[in-house]
Amino acid sequence: AQKVTQAQTEISVVEKEDVTLDCVYETRDTTYYLFWYKQPPSGELVFLIRRNSFDEQNEISGRYSWNFQKSTSSFNFTITASQVVDSAVYFCALSEVSGSARQLTFGSGTQLTVLP
Amino acid sequence: GAVVSQHPSWVICKSGTSVKIECRSLDFQATTMFWYRQFPKQSLMLMATSNEGSKATYEQGVEKDKFLINHASLTLSTLTVTSAHPEDSSFYICSSRVNTEAFFGQGTRLTVV
Repeated sequence: AQKVTQAQTEISVVEKEDVTLDCVYETRDTTYYLFWYKQPPSGELVFLIRRNSFDEQNEISGRYSWNFQKSTSSFNFTITASQVVDSAVYFCALSEVSGSARQLTFGSGTQLTVLP
Repeated sequence: GAVVSQHPSWVICKSGTSVKIECRSLDFQATTMFWYRQFPKQSLMLMATSNEGSKATYEQGVEKDKFLINHASLTLSTLTVTSAHPEDSSFYICSSRVNTEAFFGQGTRLTVV
C-alpha cells in the first residue's frame, strides 16, 4: 500500500524567511510519481511539480525548490523568501506510473501561514 | 493543457435531498475519473473510481447507494449524493489522468442544512 506522510501540520513563518515542507512516502512500486500541490482557501488544487522516481535531480523554479532523496523516501519542498501569498495548504502526493489504479495518494497536508 | 470542469463550485441543499456534481473533460477523453472527498482541515481521500461504460469502484467505507456515480460518456462523470445529510457536507473534487499528468476539477463545496 502507498502512504504519504507530512509530519508538519502547521507552519508559521515571517515574510522573507525560507521554509521547508517535509514529505516522506512509502511504496512497493519501483517506479512512481511524486507531486506537490498548493491549495488556497478557494479549494482549487494548484499543481506545483511532478517528479518521476527515476529522476533524482533536484529542481528549482523561481522561489520554489524540491529535494528528492530516494534513499530516504523523501521529497521535500522549500520556499525561499516566503511571501504572504504563499499562505495555503500544501499537499504532497504519490501515484503509480501505470495501471488502472493511478489515483493519487495524498499526505495530510501542511498549512503554511506567512505573516507580514 | 487538459482541463477538467467541475460544477457546481458550491451548493447548499436541505437534508434529505439529492445533489448532482458534474465533471467534464473539456479537451480530452477521460476513461477514468477519480472522485475525492475532503473534510475541513483534512486531506483528500479517494471515494471512488469511475470508468466509462462500467460500474464504479468504491473505496472501503464509502456507500455506493448513497454516492451514485455515472460515467456514461468519455467526457462526463457525475457524482450524485442521495438523501444528503449534514455529515455529507464536504469538499468534493474530481480528477483524471492523462499520461503522467493529473488534472483536477475546481471542486464542489457541499453544505447540507
